[in-house]
Amino acid sequence: DTAVSQTPKYLVTQMGNDKSIKCEQNLGHDTMYWYKQDSKKFLKIMFSYNNKELIINETVPNRFSPKSPDKAHLNLHINSLELGDSAVYFCASSQRGSVDEQYFGPGTRLTVT
Amino acid sequence: AQTVTQSQPEMSVQEAETVTLSCTYDTSENNYYLFWYKQPPSRQMILVIRQEAYKQQNATENRFSVNFQKAAKSFSLKISDSQLGDTAMYFCAFMKQSNDMRFGAGTRLTVKP
Repeated sequence: DTAVSQTPKYLVTQMGNDKSIKCEQNLGHDTMYWYKQDSKKFLKIMFSYNNKELIINETVPNRFSPKSPDKAHLNLHINSLELGDSAVYFCASSQRGSVDEQYFGPGTRLTVT
Repeated sequence: AQTVTQSQPEMSVQEAETVTLSCTYDTSENNYYLFWYKQPPSRQMILVIRQEAYKQQNATENRFSVNFQKAAKSFSLKISDSQLGDTAMYFCAFMKQSNDMRFGAGTRLTVKP
């Protein structure tokens, strides 16, 4: 059973396009996250949702818009893609208030050409 | 803001030997959690070990153990009897009780046969 899944795993697209990455977790967690890992492997949080409510919103261009239809899903939509958006995007989930760790999805490698 | 510093960008160790990865953090919080994650070439983020700040006893998981020094804000990871499969990026992470997690820049560990 896949705890946190992301689709697609690889995404190649041209500058200026709009794309979405989907994330689903079946762990019953109430909090989900999006992280960006750049080419130097630095992992930085972008957004966090708790029960469909945005609770962390780091300094991310407003071209990035997370959407949480329910607490098991957190999708990331990116408008007007730029070269600098090329990275690996990780979805994660956890139970708020728990000492448990965050569970990560397999990552989506986005390449903008 | 919390910061996590991993001062060793790269390290190597001979198979079967012991290696220690360093991590320091800065926070004004008293209750928090610390983690070490491993990211092998498959890019999956895998939890190695976690430590609750209120626990004085150092966490251990088989060949992995930590040296947690709360006053010094230090959280190093010791890998004993290193195996080839331990080759990976290792990330130290700090998490507040709100589940806001911040990562260090990572240490690339290579285990040599």
